[in-house]
Amino acid sequence: DAGVTQSPTHLIKTRGQQVTLRCSPKSGHDTVSWYQQALGQGPQFIFQYYEEEERQRGNFPDRFSGHQFPNYSSELNVNALLLGDSALYLCASSLGGAATTAVSSYNEQFFGPGTRLTVL
Amino acid sequence: GQQVMQIPQYQHVQEGEDFTTYCNSSTTLSNIQWYKQRPGGHPVFLIQLVKSGEVKKQKRLTFQFGEAKKNSSLHITATQTTDVGTYFCAVTWREYGNKLVFGAGTILRVKS
Repeated sequence: DAGVTQSPTHLIKTRGQQVTLRCSPKSGHDTVSWYQQALGQGPQFIFQYYEEEERQRGNFPDRFSGHQFPNYSSELNVNALLLGDSALYLCASSLGGAATTAVSSYNEQFFGPGTRLTVL
Repeated sequence: GQQVMQIPQYQHVQEGEDFTTYCNSSTTLSNIQWYKQRPGGHPVFLIQLVKSGEVKKQKRLTFQFGEAKKNSSLHITATQTTDVGTYFCAVTWREYGNKLVFGAGTILRVKS
């Protein structure tokens, strides 16, 4: 049973370019969340996808967009890259549905290995 | 946006000593999760606490949720070199929807 997979592992881009990162959730999971982790900091929530729709969004600009496909895999797109976008981008999968909308419970998330993005 | 304070930022202990990290919020939390991230790795889920005053144990790890649901702690008894890594708390607030907010983490180093 494969866990969460992400591609590519590493990526180098220049300012102004666009990037697409990919994530395949753990088998049986239908919810994908994306996080940005700068060096020495905790992961910052970007957004969450469930049933192919963005369900929650953190404090990130519209340059950050995403998509979830019918097979539950997901993409994170970042336009007009800035130097400050350099970070480890983590994808986490979980079981969604009504349970994750209840504020008293939040399902266990399984993180992928991440994509290291460097913007020059 | 909402923030959660995690202390200490860094702790270096001798193998066999105990270790504790704390998470604090100024407002009542809905729940809290704890994660461990090894150097160069990704966060790995350890536990989730939901109820006021809840205490859970996993071998040498003890997790507590405060009575007021504003703070939590992770305590490791008799640390081992395999405990090295960064420990993060991640929380949700009812007023902030179901968005998981991570603390800055506590880096644990263990001297053998």
